[in-house]
Amino acid sequence: QTVVTQEPSFSVSPGGTVTLTCGLNSGSVSTNEYPTWYQQTPGQAPRTLLYNTNIRSSGVPDRFSGSILGNKAALTITGAQADDESDYYCLLYVGSGIWVFGGGTKLTVL
Amino acid sequence: EVQLLEAGGGLVQPGRSLRLSCAGSGFIFSDYAMTWVRQGPGKGLEWVSVISGNGDSTFYADSVKGRCMISRDNSKNTMYLQLNSLRAEDTAVYYCTRDWQSGGSSYGSVYWGQGILVTVSS
Repeated sequence: QTVVTQEPSFSVSPGGTVTLTCGLNSGSVSTNEYPTWYQQTPGQAPRTLLYNTNIRSSGVPDRFSGSILGNKAALTITGAQADDESDYYCLLYVGSGIWVFGGGTKLTVL
Repeated sequence: EVQLLEAGGGLVQPGRSLRLSCAGSGFIFSDYAMTWVRQGPGKGLEWVSVISGNGDSTFYADSVKGRCMISRDNSKNTMYLQLNSLRAEDTAVYYCTRDWQSGGSSYGSVYWGQGILVTVSS
């Protein structure tokens, strides 16, 4: 069974930089897995941040960026703000038409 | 503006069936793959099923395979999710999503509906 891994929680100081990662238990993540990143606050529908590894969705500030770091997809937030405190999910294509979400990372800004 | 509106949720008894719908507007519906994603109470996002733009290709998560059927009617700009033999663990908010890339196949969900709650309970 394919599992997409994310850090369960992360903390960043206001104004700081944080990198969240998204991995595969079965191997490396590359652009072929079309990494997509979402932000979700309680009670709200997810908001798309980045798709196809590093393309920002409409209206997303450029302090959110995506990349492949080593064998994982990565979401980097620079100049963290209080309202960045959210849950972040990655989504990967794992083959044969199937996609899998990671378990999500709860980001605290303090 | 892309808009997605889910309907058909509610309270349903275990073992029964339910059909969700998702109406799309603001884009050429048949050009895009569409996906259902769900989120159980207090849980993370779960990818459920995807259908290609012309409806010829469908794929399902193992958790719903055999109990669920995705379909679409491009003449009505609407996608459906038929859920059968419902279980308590199917209780979730179900989201309709649209791909970022036209061309029929799925390359990743970008646009989201507001979601619809399905509660499976006796």
